[in-house]
Amino acid sequence: EAGVVQSPRYKIIEKKQPVAFWCNPISGHNTLYWYLQNLGQGPELLIRYENEEAVDDSQLPKDRFSAERLKGVDSTLKIQPAELGDSAVYLCASSRDSGNTIYFGEGSWLTVV
Amino acid sequence: QKEVEQNSGPLSVPEGAIASLNCTYSDRGSQSFFWYRQYSGKSPELIMFIYSNGDKEDGRFTAQLNKASQYVSLLIRDSQPSDSATYLCAVSDPKTSYDKVIFGPGTSLSVIP
Repeated sequence: EAGVVQSPRYKIIEKKQPVAFWCNPISGHNTLYWYLQNLGQGPELLIRYENEEAVDDSQLPKDRFSAERLKGVDSTLKIQPAELGDSAVYLCASSRDSGNTIYFGEGSWLTVV
Repeated sequence: QKEVEQNSGPLSVPEGAIASLNCTYSDRGSQSFFWYRQYSGKSPELIMFIYSNGDKEDGRFTAQLNKASQYVSLLIRDSQPSDSATYLCAVSDPKTSYDKVIFGPGTSLSVIP
């Protein structure tokens, strides 16, 4: 079974530029998560989808971050414009349903210069 | 007070010894507890979960939960150099209507050959 796939793995951009991350969850997993992980910290939830519905986006900075999950499968996370403090790892994860084991992707490492 | 606390480490143990990783949480209503292992540059991987007070054993790993003390621990017996990683404690948030988990900052473990 293929795992959670994310791209790009690494991205370096200048501040104020836009960036987008893509995630393909494990087949059959209805719940998809985007987490932010700073160095030396645990993952922090940005947004959670149940199928195509964003059911928890309370931690998503909506002034510059946006996300979508069209057709309830793949998802994209966008930052526009990026700030220096956005440098972090953006982890996508999925689970069969809420409450089941969460499987993480390898992460997208963002550096804003 | 942070919701999930862990000693950041690094915790160093000799090969073959028992590594003891500790985690405390602030919300007495939390019901589900997880340990994730994260190798450097990799994504978190679930290794144990526990819901009831007491011990749960899986191979060389034992999770211990004490809800009265709001404390959960992970013991790794016969530690191996391949166990060197950051261990993330995650706790369910009872304030949410679904099984949202909150991650601690992680404890870095180094097993010395």
